[in-house]
Amino acid sequence: DAGITQSPRHKVTETGTPVTLRCHQTENHRYMYWYRQDPGHGLRLIHYSYGVKDTDKGEVSDGYSVSRSKTEDFLLTLESATSSQTSVYFCAISDPTENIQYFGAGTRLSVL
Amino acid sequence: GEDVEQSLFLSVREGDSSVINCTYTDSSSTYLYWYKQEPGAGLQLLTYIFSNMDMKQDQRLTVLLNKKDKHLSLRIADTQTGDSAIYFCAETSGTYKYIFGTGTRLKVLA
Repeated sequence: DAGITQSPRHKVTETGTPVTLRCHQTENHRYMYWYRQDPGHGLRLIHYSYGVKDTDKGEVSDGYSVSRSKTEDFLLTLESATSSQTSVYFCAISDPTENIQYFGAGTRLSVL
Repeated sequence: GEDVEQSLFLSVREGDSSVINCTYTDSSSTYLYWYKQEPGAGLQLLTYIFSNMDMKQDQRLTVLLNKKDKHLSLRIADTQTGDSAIYFCAETSGTYKYIFGTGTRLKVLA
């Protein structure tokens, strides 16, 4: 998975609790992304980062926040999880010199 | 906005060729990709093509690009049971943004 580690790989939580997912890369790529994958929707971009402390919203950012304090780490936080956020979350990285996105193995999140 | 469309399912017999199709709307697409996703795993890059190319071949995989019709296809020759997976088409115009299709689930029958 191109030097990308997502943690945890599986999580079950309750509605209203905060959840943080972590993405760690060893490739020193500039861009990092968080997607969610749901049946019938493919991959939808939640947030992305184009550098340390530089982040922006994707198409489904409501209810999510991100932080990137180091090149290698990109955190996705659900401040107050809802059942609609039950999904598989993927982290991806890319570099503008290469124009290829590489994906982590995913985190399966269930919000009960 | 930009969109990428794929059919949802394809079923083929082992040993036959599979053709997975994709259409996209962004006329400024410069790179087009095919990714494979096996159960419980992330997306694995299979191949990609630059928009100034018509065809790219890589072992059993052939990618055809019709830029006029904004149509991309992936042909898998001699399809095997290990090719059963979801295949995603994606495109980018060279910025940070990548647009993905909904994925085509390929089922290979023994």
